[in-house]
Amino acid sequence: ETGVTQTPRHLVMGMTNKKSLKCEQHLGHNAMYWYKQSAKKPLELMFVYNFKEQTENNSVPSRFSPECPNSSHLFLHLHTLQPEDSALYLCASSHQLAGGPNEQFFGPGTRLTVL
Amino acid sequence: GQQLNQSPQSMFIQEGEDVSMNCTSSSIFNTWLWYKQDPGEGPVLLIALYKAGELTSNGRLTAQFGITRKDSFLNISASIPSDVGIYFCAGHGSSNTGKLIFGQGTTLQVKP
Repeated sequence: ETGVTQTPRHLVMGMTNKKSLKCEQHLGHNAMYWYKQSAKKPLELMFVYNFKEQTENNSVPSRFSPECPNSSHLFLHLHTLQPEDSALYLCASSHQLAGGPNEQFFGPGTRLTVL
Repeated sequence: GQQLNQSPQSMFIQEGEDVSMNCTSSSIFNTWLWYKQDPGEGPVLLIALYKAGELTSNGRLTAQFGITRKDSFLNISASIPSDVGIYFCAGHGSSNTGKLIFGQGTTLQVKP
């Protein structure tokens, strides 16, 4: 695998389900990000991890719970979601959080539908 | 907070035409990035700009970092059908937190 991978690519879940999104980066980066992309809206930053430590929680509801066990893997645990949470969830990674060039590379996304 | 205004919102052009889109900010940016997103996929980095006045090309794509550090443009020459997609500008501001600020995107459609 190369770049940033995300699984699953598509997920349909009921409001009472619990599911997890997985992201893996094969680029040797230290920072990882979760974004939400809804139709007709700009990309919304959700969480930022730098060297496995969470450095940003952009006022995300607690029904979204991130986990970063190491610099290569990032999870987003989902529970009791609402239909308005349906969106494309994108994972990204970069070399470092600050102090130098910080090009972010994105995965293909998980298309989430909440029924 | 810092915001980016990207224009136009959408473009519908004929194959072979040149395309230009731009982003402006009310505050200074230290880095400008341009991404393209195909339907159902994640954004792909096209060009990265790090210095005011910098002009960088990637094939038929050319982007410039504005001299005032508050704007950037992306040009696509001789458009082809596979140029269809959403183009995003993004930048790092002076806060140096590493957070990227994204524009709203420009949807490009190319008629063969």
